[in-house]
Amino acid sequence: QVQLQESGPGLVKPSQTLSLTCTVSGGSINSATYYWSWIRQPAGKGLEWIGRIYASGSTNYNPSLKSRVTISVDTSKNQFSLRLSSVTAADTAVYYCARVVTAISFDYWGQGTLVTVSS
Amino acid sequence: EIVLTQSPGTLSLSPGERATVSCRASQSVSSSFLAWYQQKPGQAPRLLIYGASSRATGIPDRFSGSGSGTDFTLSISRLEPEDSAVYYCQQYGSSPLYTFGQGTKLEI
Repeated sequence: QVQLQESGPGLVKPSQTLSLTCTVSGGSINSATYYWSWIRQPAGKGLEWIGRIYASGSTNYNPSLKSRVTISVDTSKNQFSLRLSSVTAADTAVYYCARVVTAISFDYWGQGTLVTVSS
Repeated sequence: EIVLTQSPGTLSLSPGERATVSCRASQSVSSSFLAWYQQKPGQAPRLLIYGASSRATGIPDRFSGSGSGTDFTLSISRLEPEDSAVYYCQQYGSSPLYTFGQGTKLEI
């Protein structure tokens, strides 16, 4: 059974960089079948896709966040990471990592981690 | 950007009834690229339907999806209290690569 677990600081100051890591267990991040993605959800609101990465390191980002987002992968640790720079209060949200199956839908999700942007 | 608009915003039904949630796209979406999710409070979304009509692993046959082009539907028959959740549709393929509807809250 594949499991994903987000980790990282729950509080980030405005203008700083948000950094999260997703650890994948029960399966290899190196699989040719899957992409790996970050999605966020502000409290009481809907879901926003942030970006995705393939094991090779190839990435795609949401244009609305592209200038501030970097997603990277460490296949040796079976992890992928998110960095979001110049954060503001609008970036406060629950951040999820998820596996993308057949490039189309998200079949496994982490439990989510709340990141608050505040001084 | 393809915008997905769900209706109704909230649906209140009784156990045993049938729920129907609509997802309308601002442009045509390939049926292969439309999915539905269920999200309960404090939990991550769970994949219910992919390819517009295929149930994900472990999803009961009370859940079904249909539609094509710009109009898609999630149906839930024989409602149970545990079906109370927010339901989202999601499309793949247009920039941004993935977008979600705003969600429909189902109250049983």
